[in-house]
Amino acid sequence: GAVVSQHPSWVICKSGTSVKIECRSLDFQATTMFWYRQFPKQSLMLMATSNEGSKATYEQGVEKDKFLINHASLTLSTLTVTSAHPEDSSFYICSARDRSRSAGETGELFFGEGSRLTVL
Amino acid sequence: KQEVTQIPAALSVPEGENLVLNCSFTDSAIYNLQWFRQDPGKGLTSLLLIQSSQREQTSGRLNASLDKSSGRSTLYIAASQPGDSATYLCAAPRAGNMLTFGGGTRLMVKP
Repeated sequence: GAVVSQHPSWVICKSGTSVKIECRSLDFQATTMFWYRQFPKQSLMLMATSNEGSKATYEQGVEKDKFLINHASLTLSTLTVTSAHPEDSSFYICSARDRSRSAGETGELFFGEGSRLTVL
Repeated sequence: KQEVTQIPAALSVPEGENLVLNCSFTDSAIYNLQWFRQDPGKGLTSLLLIQSSQREQTSGRLNASLDKSSGRSTLYIAASQPGDSATYLCAAPRAGNMLTFGGGTRLMVKP
């Protein structure tokens, strides 16, 4: 099946530093990738939609200047948490749709393994 | 706005039982519904995808049904095993294929 890889799987950083998380579709092309955040014992909340070659679309309440998203190619999207603070500690998960498998928007979404960020 | 609710929030059963997880959604104008499994500290594994034109999908011991008119989906797990212990999430899309997730059902199957 389609594989989505995230890196790093976990990261610990000091408050005020920036952290970059990569999301790659390994065996398919994804024009659109999605970034989710999950706090402990809560479900996933969509942060933003990443579109290849254009600006990301952010959900209400998500600071676009804090969570920088770049989708430079059909297989890679990056999420950079800038000036991270302890409240940004969370589990970040990306997902992508295999455009070759789906017609329109009816395709199955595949998820990465997630990246756990801990900000001290 | 799509809202997704899952009941029960947690479930503990002995091994071998058949069980049903419930998912309801408010906006029935969906084109598919997806069930996922999440192990602690891990990402999501897609279990079943039901298109809006389908009423159910089966994969091994799993069967998912979809009733758009009532805004409900169920995930049926037959002959549960300890390895089935995980959190099960259902998700319904809204415009642009963005998924809205339910709160999940934390399942524990005891040997």
